[in-house]
Amino acid sequence: QLQLQESGPGLVKPSETLSLTCTVSGGSISSSSYYWGWIRQPPGKGLEWIGSIYYSGSTYYNPSLKSRVTISVDTSKNQFSLKLSSVTAADTAVYYCARRSLVLTGEGLDYWGQGTLVTVSS
Amino acid sequence: QSALTQPASVSGSPGQSITISCTGTSSDVGGYNYVSWYQQHPGKAPKLMIYDVSNRPSGVSNRFSGSKSGNTASLTISGLQAEDEADYYCSSYTSSSTPYVVFGGGTKLTVL
Repeated sequence: QLQLQESGPGLVKPSETLSLTCTVSGGSISSSSYYWGWIRQPPGKGLEWIGSIYYSGSTYYNPSLKSRVTISVDTSKNQFSLKLSSVTAADTAVYYCARRSLVLTGEGLDYWGQGTLVTVSS
Repeated sequence: QSALTQPASVSGSPGQSITISCTGTSSDVGGYNYVSWYQQHPGKAPKLMIYDVSNRPSGVSNRFSGSKSGNTASLTISGLQAEDEADYYCSSYTSSSTPYVVFGGGTKLTVL
């Protein structure tokens, strides 16, 4: 059974860089059938798509966050990562990693991590 | 970037059917058959219920169905059950400037 697990600091200071890693187990991140993505949800609010990456390294970002976001993949560790720079309190959210299966569920995100709360505060 | 428009809340009684709408533009919902729907219970990760407008992933009840007309997509839940009470989000592929995904603001479904 595929599992995704987010990890990283739960508290980040304003103006610093938020860094999270998603570890994929039970399947290979290197398959050409999948994209891997990040989505966030501020407390009590809706979902926001941050971006996604293909195993080859091709990336797609939300235009509203593009100038601050970097998503990368480490196939040797079966992980992909998110970096969000110059954070403010508005970046406080639960951050989810997720998989998009081109073959099984088209544009839908079929597997999600449990999410990790990141708070931006001094 | 504008989120897709969903009603803030809908409600229905057990056994009834409800429909949640998701309105976008010709650059997203209307332009592509790439609308997905997610169910989210409190404190849990979202769960994919419908992908590519009207397809159900394996294991999702056939009480859930999706459709689209013009710039508006819809999720219909028939035979409402207590466990259907949750937040529902639509999403769509869009390429107005660069390809990405936009979500709706979410709809709280209450089963009376």
